[in-house]
Amino acid sequence: SQQGEEDPQALSIQEGENATMNCSYKTSINNLQWYRQNSGRGLVHLILIRSNEREKHSGRLRVTLDTSKKSSSLLITASRAADTASYFCATDALTSGSRLTFGEGTQLTVNP
Amino acid sequence: DAGITQSPRYKITETGRQVTLMCHQTWSHSYMFWYRQDLGHGLRLIYYSAAADITDKGEVPDGYVVSRSKTENFPLTLESATRSQTSVYFCASSGTGGINQPQHFGDGTRLSIL
Repeated sequence: SQQGEEDPQALSIQEGENATMNCSYKTSINNLQWYRQNSGRGLVHLILIRSNEREKHSGRLRVTLDTSKKSSSLLITASRAADTASYFCATDALTSGSRLTFGEGTQLTVNP
Repeated sequence: DAGITQSPRYKITETGRQVTLMCHQTWSHSYMFWYRQDLGHGLRLIYYSAAADITDKGEVPDGYVVSRSKTENFPLTLESATRSQTSVYFCASSGTGGINQPQHFGDGTRLSIL
């Protein structure tokens, strides 16, 4: 089974609204990463948060990490149509030799 | 421009044929990875390599072979293709600092096996 699981599977919002995606994982990690994938393209790394960090910002992105709940959230503020993509979390479970394990992703649609 | 390129972008072949997917990166990254992406399974690791001449199995290695004679190239071979190997294949690389560092992905090879 996947180490990281995103929720919801799909999200549709209007331009200008905020989008929140969640990721839950099962075992201890060193870091958690978020990636974006546009249709027909490869994944693009967005942000990395370490296990000793609680929150991180990058432009309109805000990532939180709660290691006690084994969960993370990705917030995109003031969304744009260009944010339409799939978003994946990736965790480096110690039980998998710290290799990254990707969830199945959240499909975000931002309507103009 | 530096980057990671995969070829071909699209490939159609028949069951039982051998097919090789190419991956080339210009960053001299230590680590390289092959994933397959399927609906309902997300991204699954097939093989990875920590350096030239060092490769290791991932989650779904059966039916695949890799080699890494040069740092910049990491080809993936399906020795006898099966329909279950129809998928989108992604190559990725990451630099020093460990296997869990951010990865840079190619744009994928869409492989159909008839």
